[in-house]
Amino acid sequence: EVQLVESGGGLVQPGRSLRLSCAASGFRFENYAMHWVRQAPGKGLEWVSGISWNSGRIGYADSVRGRFIISRDNAKNSLYLQLNSLRADDSALYYCAKDIFSAAISSMDVWGQGTTVTVSS
Amino acid sequence: DIQMTQSPSSLSASIGNRVSITCRASQSIGTHLNWYQQRPGKVPKLLIYAASSLQSGVPSRFSGSGSGTEFTLTISSLQPEDFATYYCQQYYTTPALAFGGGTKVEI
Repeated sequence: EVQLVESGGGLVQPGRSLRLSCAASGFRFENYAMHWVRQAPGKGLEWVSGISWNSGRIGYADSVRGRFIISRDNAKNSLYLQLNSLRADDSALYYCAKDIFSAAISSMDVWGQGTTVTVSS
Repeated sequence: DIQMTQSPSSLSASIGNRVSITCRASQSIGTHLNWYQQRPGKVPKLLIYAASSLQSGVPSRFSGSGSGTEFTLTISSLQPEDFATYYCQQYYTTPALAFGGGTKVEI
């Protein structure tokens, strides 16, 4: 079964950092691009960041560029998102998602259940 | 940046109705557009990729059309499980992507 399991969320103060992880199983992780997408309570989906299979292509939403860093470890079948300089409006459910392609960062066909990040003092 | 605008933001429909949702891009994106469904409390699901290609396992009552700046998701005969929020998403600007604001389909 193809599965993505996020972890690392929690309550953090503004300005602090957090690292999210996503453990993948049931497919050849190294063959696919991966994404982070977030959803604030009661709001729509916001794409956050994507990374190609070999980390050669990386993209960020304007709202997080310069503060968040996406990375992956294909040997560990894991995707990461380092969240720095956190703000209240970064509070959301963060989903890890698999792309349908390896190099092209384009389309998300498998999603995890998400991990919640709350930024508050 | 390319802005994605969905209309309507919500709609009411009945079982068996034909429903159409529009997504407009602020500039041409070719057919670099996907559609997702998110049922309440559930994770999003890819329905349509590349504007008109049906994702594996998605019922054929869902279809996508359009190119350039205007796209449409059509549900030919609304079923109870189709009450959900639908999002378009462009990947023309890959590796930076963007979702539309969503359309909630209600009874």
